[in-house]
Amino acid sequence: DVKVTQSSRYLVKRTGEKVFLECVQDMDHENMFWYRQDPGLGLRLIYFSYDVKMKEKGDIPEGYSVSREKKERFSLILESASTNQTSMYLCASSGTNYGYTFGSGTRLTVV
Amino acid sequence: GNSVTQMEGPVTLSEEAFLTINCTYTATGYPSLFWYVQYPGEGLQLLLKATKADDKGSNKGFEATYRKETTSFHLEKGSVQVSDSAVYFCALHGGSYIPTFGRGTSLIVHP
Repeated sequence: DVKVTQSSRYLVKRTGEKVFLECVQDMDHENMFWYRQDPGLGLRLIYFSYDVKMKEKGDIPEGYSVSREKKERFSLILESASTNQTSMYLCASSGTNYGYTFGSGTRLTVV
Repeated sequence: GNSVTQMEGPVTLSEEAFLTINCTYTATGYPSLFWYVQYPGEGLQLLLKATKADDKGSNKGFEATYRKETTSFHLEKGSVQVSDSAVYFCALHGGSYIPTFGRGTSLIVHP
């Protein structure tokens, strides 16, 4: 069964910490994405990547960066975590048929 | 630009009731249309899709028909179960590999 795996389901971090969220897919997909999901706001695109070492800003990139050194792995980095980054983070990948495969999500709490 | 509008929730039904969740879209060209489902604490899963006008996508008793004349892709199920309680997202891909998502509609099914 094809999978997108996010490294943590729940994470609690302190304000100012550098936070790494990891995502790995086993489908050889070119495209990978990071979203955050907040009540009433739906899914908002943070960053995406269409190839190794390539990255593009989404709608809300401020306070985040990404890394894609290998095709199967796409990391989201919170440079200095703040309380307004408390959210559910969803990673997804897609191939050429458009449909997305999502990971189970990481619920991040910044205290 | 592209947009997707879903009916606001929550939609509350009794078990075995008929379900409709409305979705309309605005897009240039000929997008593919999708429904995703998110169960509590999980990421999104692809439920069904339709790639051209008049196509009907179906899965797990859910159906949606791509109506180009009304720019709609309403989700229906004839008899809902408690296990269908989830958040449902309508989405379109309009020639780019980045989809446009609706804000999601919460479905609550009571026994």
